Amino acid sequence: SQQGEEDPQALSIQEGENATMNCSYKTSINNLQWYRQNSGRGLVHLILIRSNEREKHSGRLRVTLDTSKKSSSLLITASRAADTASYFCATDAPDRGSTLGRLYFGRGTQLTVWP
Amino acid sequence: DTGVSQDPRHKITKRGQNVTFRCDPISEHNRLYWYRQTLGQGPEFLTYFQNEAQLEKSRLLSDRFSAERPKGSFSTLEIQRTEQGDSAMYLCASSPPPGQGQTYNEQFFGPGTRLTVL
Repeated sequence: SQQGEEDPQALSIQEGENATMNCSYKTSINNLQWYRQNSGRGLVHLILIRSNEREKHSGRLRVTLDTSKKSSSLLITASRAADTASYFCATDAPDRGSTLGRLYFGRGTQLTVWP
Repeated sequence: DTGVSQDPRHKITKRGQNVTFRCDPISEHNRLYWYRQTLGQGPEFLTYFQNEAQLEKSRLLSDRFSAERPKGSFSTLEIQRTEQGDSAMYLCASSPPPGQGQTYNEQFFGPGTRLTVL
């Protein structure tokens, strides 16, 4: 299946440090989104970046997109214990006619922030 | 709370039984999605509705699975003759109609229904 793949699978840092997670995908996209999921809960949308954008900021979040490398990164600055969660990237697949339809998710990065 | 809601939050059933889950999307959202998530994996797409029309179905949605959205509002997902492999978190999401020229779909997720098949 066409999925994004996050890297690393797990990341453990101290409060105040920055956390960087990467995502690679396989096909052309219209947009790429990042979601957060706390243990056993639903997903929370964090940020969306369009294929014609290279960087986007939202509070402590910074997302980059390199469509030539089919990759994206999510940077969380000045991390907090409350940022502990799984982070997923998700893409659409316009080549398969799935605009405004399904999203393809990776397996996620489990981020642990120690106080 | 005006977010996406799902009911029940947890369901334990015996193999072979039928189960039905309900999803209530955000009221002005015309698009509704079902995903399945197993431990350690990301969500996998099952099906998608625009209003009451089921526009896309995954091959994961075997003939034991059926989803409906009869009036374009809430949706139900039924699994017949459940198997242990059906144990997973079932997530529902909704998204609003896109603005003119928009091609992106931010999806708002509910808390999920965790199914355990014994």
